[in-house]
Order: sequence, then structure tokens, then C-alpha cells
Amino acid sequence: GQQLNQSPQSMFIQEGEDVSMNCTSSSIFNTWLWYKQEPGEGPVLLIALYKAGELTSNGRLTAQFGITRKDSFLNISASIPSDVGIYFCAGFSYNNNDMRFGAGTRLTVKP
Amino acid sequence: KAGVTQTPRYLIKTRGQQVTLSCSPISGHRSVSWYQQTPGQGLQFLFEYFSETQRNKGNFPGRFSGRQFSNSRSEMNVSTLELGDSALYLCASSLAGGNGYGYTFGSGTRLTVV
Repeated sequence: GQQLNQSPQSMFIQEGEDVSMNCTSSSIFNTWLWYKQEPGEGPVLLIALYKAGELTSNGRLTAQFGITRKDSFLNISASIPSDVGIYFCAGFSYNNNDMRFGAGTRLTVKP
Repeated sequence: KAGVTQTPRYLIKTRGQQVTLSCSPISGHRSVSWYQQTPGQGLQFLFEYFSETQRNKGNFPGRFSGRQFSNSRSEMNVSTLELGDSALYLCASSLAGGNGYGYTFGSGTRLTVV
């Protein structure tokens, strides 16, 4: 089945630093999404991307849908302590009509 | 507007037992998807229901099953529980499924099999 490779697995950064994480796949996706999950909760949608090359921002978050449709990245600028959590990329394919998730990037922000 | 409600939040079961988990989607949402989340495997797609019909299914054994009622509420059932079934089970609802837009997750049911 389709596999999403998300990296890095974890990040330990200082408050104020910028963060970058990405997802790659051997398959094409029609939609790329980025979610954040905090302890004891389900994932919450941060950004959705629908077109190859699309660059979308949501506050300090910026994500891009790769031109090849096989990758996406998420950047967080000027990190703050509440950015702590696990970030998941997800890809949706019309062929399979389901959403596949990356393994997640665990972000720790030191004040 | 109420979010996605999953019950129970926590459950402890013994190997060999069966379990039923419930998911009430956001009012008006007709699609419910179920995922299993484990530290080792991440989020794995179980199945999706739309208008009481299973529309898509992941690669899980037949011990995992589900259904959806006319009010869009969904249940998933796991029979003959194994230790490896211990996980956080998440459901996500959306208006119509489709392209992933507007998926809202519940807080999950944490199942522990002993």
C-alpha cells in the first residue's frame, strides 16, 4: 500500500527557532494535509493542500504541496512552547479513497 | 457545535474477549472513518462508512468490523482480542469523506488488552 515517509522522527529545539519537517511518498497523492496531535487528544487539522506546487500559510505555519505530488513540507517559524506535540502528514488519494498518515514528528520546544 | 464524541475513553479487556467502540460524528456529517494508532505503526486506516455502507477498508483482519447507523453514528467491533490490539482507536467524521478536507477527529478510545 501507499507509504508516507515522514522526517525527522523527533526534534528538540529552543523557543524562537524555526522548524522544518517533510513527508515523501513513492505514490502520488491528490491532497496533502498536516495535523497536530497533543497528548490525550485526536489529531487536529492545521493545513490542507489541494494543488501541486501550492504554498499555504496558517499563522506561523507554512506548508507546500510538492510539484511531483509525492512530497510535502511543513515549516513552523519562531516556535513557542505550545507548539509541542506530534505533527503528522497525511495524503489522500482518489484511487484508494482513503487517507494515509506519516509516522509523525514529535516536537519538543525548550523555553 | 458538538465535536466528534467517542466512547468509552478508556477500556481494559482480556485476551479473547470482544469489544465495541462507539463514535458519534458531528451533526450533519455522513462519513465516519476509523484509525488505529500505536507507537510502532502510527495511524493505520481501518475502514470508512458513508450512509450506512462500508465504502473503504484497510488491511486489518476480519476480527475488526464496523457498522454505521441511520443517524450516522458508527461502532467498531474487535472480536477475539489479542495483546497487539492495544492501541488508541480514533474516529474521524466529515461531511462526505472524499478528499480529506474537513476531517475532524474524536479524542479516541484507548484500549488495553491484558
